[in-house]
Amino acid sequence: GDSVTQMEGPVTLSEEAFLTINCTYTATGYPSLFWYVQYPGEGLQLLLKATKADDKGSNKGFEATYRKETTSFHLEKGSVQVSDSAVYFCALRGSGGSNYKLTFGKGTLLTVNP
Amino acid sequence: DARVTQTPRHKVTEMGQEVTMRCQPILGHNTVFWYRQTMMQGLELLAYFRNRAPLDDSGMPKDRFSAEMPDATLATLKIQPSEPRDSAVYFCASGLAPGRVVYNEQFFGPGTRLTVL
Repeated sequence: GDSVTQMEGPVTLSEEAFLTINCTYTATGYPSLFWYVQYPGEGLQLLLKATKADDKGSNKGFEATYRKETTSFHLEKGSVQVSDSAVYFCALRGSGGSNYKLTFGKGTLLTVNP
Repeated sequence: DARVTQTPRHKVTEMGQEVTMRCQPILGHNTVFWYRQTMMQGLELLAYFRNRAPLDDSGMPKDRFSAEMPDATLATLKIQPSEPRDSAVYFCASGLAPGRVVYNEQFFGPGTRLTVL
């Protein structure tokens, strides 16, 4: 079945540092890929998405590129802020009959220190 | 702005007791999802409703869990009897049914943190 593997945290960075959170996936067909963010005490929010190979999703300075050849969707940000501290989830939505279902990675806790 | 609401936000109960969690989806959304989040398993889909009909509850332990949508504004997840291993955060999400190409975002509620002693 579909699966998502993302780097285990926690990740601790200083403000303005460069961020990469790795995510790879296994899926049949042509999945769509997502990054969700969860701030403390809140539910998940969609951060960005990409629906086909080579698409780049971007939002709030975060970017991720759908790489089919490496089955990856790594999250990057050039300069993190304290307010980016949260848990980040990589997810995929399968194609075909189960296209309603999101499969999530385990999440990566990011802490940004001033 | 429109949000998914969940009640209660926190629940502490003793093993064997019944627990009911409630979710109010965003008005106009026709899909509802229940997820369970634990440190060990991460986020797991428990149930999926479309137009109030349960279409997928394969992730839900059938012997003690049940999920319903009595009307379009209320979804419930019930555990009876509860066990310590049910301790987790339970999220409800709502959205519009996905089409062939367009992904319609799932909007998550703030979750119910359940502790079963």
